[in-house]
Amino acid sequence: DAGVIQSPRHEVTEMGQEVTLRCKPISGHNSLFWYRQTMMRGLELLIYFNNNVPIDDSGMPEDRFSAKMPNASFSTLKIQPSEPRDSAVYFCASSIAGGPVRNEQFFGPGTRLTVL
Amino acid sequence: TQLLEQSPQFLSIQEGENLTVYCNSSSVFSSLQWYRQEPGEGPVLLVTVVTGGEVKKLKRLTFQFGDARKDSSLHITAAQPGDTGLYLCAGVEVYRDDKIIFGKGTRLHILP
Repeated sequence: DAGVIQSPRHEVTEMGQEVTLRCKPISGHNSLFWYRQTMMRGLELLIYFNNNVPIDDSGMPEDRFSAKMPNASFSTLKIQPSEPRDSAVYFCASSIAGGPVRNEQFFGPGTRLTVL
Repeated sequence: TQLLEQSPQFLSIQEGENLTVYCNSSSVFSSLQWYRQEPGEGPVLLVTVVTGGEVKKLKRLTFQFGDARKDSSLHITAAQPGDTGLYLCAGVEVYRDDKIIFGKGTRLHILP
């Protein structure tokens, strides 16, 4: 079975450019999470969706970050304009909210973003 | 303010030794999870504990949830190089069972 799919795996861009990260959750999962991981701050939850609806975006750093989930099988995280301090590994995870193993999240391989 | 504090941050020990890493908080959690993350990959769930005082074993790994559900520990017996990785604890806040908060992790390196 395919796990969570993220693309691209690596992204290098220049400051000021728009960056779009993509995620395909596991089929049948109805919760989707976007995280950012850095050495300094660890793994931080940015936003999560239940049934395609954003539930909590309090972790989104600033207005430059936006996330969408147009359908159950696709989500995007966009940074516009990007800044060097956005450099991090961005993870997408999905779960079956309320499932038998409550809140078990399955993580994708991550997108390593470098903003020059 | 970090809600979940993990210690130590880094640990390097010889193969065959035992070790314990800790996850502490001043908050109460309805459940707590431990993940292991290897370089270039996302975290993978190892165990979920939900009852105060609960102990779970996964081969050489023993996980314990504190009686007050504010802390947890992970004990590894006879560590092996394959245990190397970043160990993350994650807590589910009471009344917020669709959101998890992660600690910064303990980076473990087992020397052969």
